[in-house]
Amino acid sequence: DQQVKQNSPSLSVQEGRISILNCDYTNSMFDYFLWYKKYPAEGPTFLISISSIKDKNEDGRFTVFLNKSAKHLSLHIVPSQPGDSAVYFCAASVNSGYALNFGKGTSLLVTP
Amino acid sequence: AAGVIQSPRHLIKEKRETATLKCYPIPRHDTVYWYQQGPGQDPQFLISFYEKMQSDKGSIPDRFSAQQFSDYHSELNMSSLELGDSALYFCASSSMGHSGAFFGQGTRLTVV
Repeated sequence: DQQVKQNSPSLSVQEGRISILNCDYTNSMFDYFLWYKKYPAEGPTFLISISSIKDKNEDGRFTVFLNKSAKHLSLHIVPSQPGDSAVYFCAASVNSGYALNFGKGTSLLVTP
Repeated sequence: AAGVIQSPRHLIKEKRETATLKCYPIPRHDTVYWYQQGPGQDPQFLISFYEKMQSDKGSIPDRFSAQQFSDYHSELNMSSLELGDSALYFCASSSMGHSGAFFGQGTRLTVV
């Protein structure tokens, strides 16, 4: 049973525009959420996280928004750059430090 | 900065053979996770260890076992390998209370 869902398998955005990657979850016990970026043949790289006590966390060009009532989070990348092209995984856990449940990933392509 | 080290990076085994994957966490990280990512799939949690004790268990087959040693490195032992075990195996480490788990580059296991 997929508890973390990324319903868009792919997304194409022009350089300089905003990329919005979405993630939904079903387990109301999740209170810690993370985004990872993955290049082929490499391990996922941690990008940004948010705990359920917040609704927004920002780090440079990356901002994660959390809507607990809708069980939805999103990652905004602005401005998008060609180097951002990768697969982005959303992950969630019950408490920081516990096993992560991953979504299936969204492949982002940023075109010049 | 030191990252999570996994060895070997690539491994080819025949059906019914055994394999041992090793993971060396980031120094001072006390928690290790193992994930399996099949082709086109999201990473699936297998098992985790905190302070050398198993802390959580996911979809790890009975043919697999793992442990964390006194120096915090971990080994995933896989026996009676099947073709379906061919996948990328990721190890991640974290420090309890820190945000995010950091992943290694992965071991690509091919069972022929």
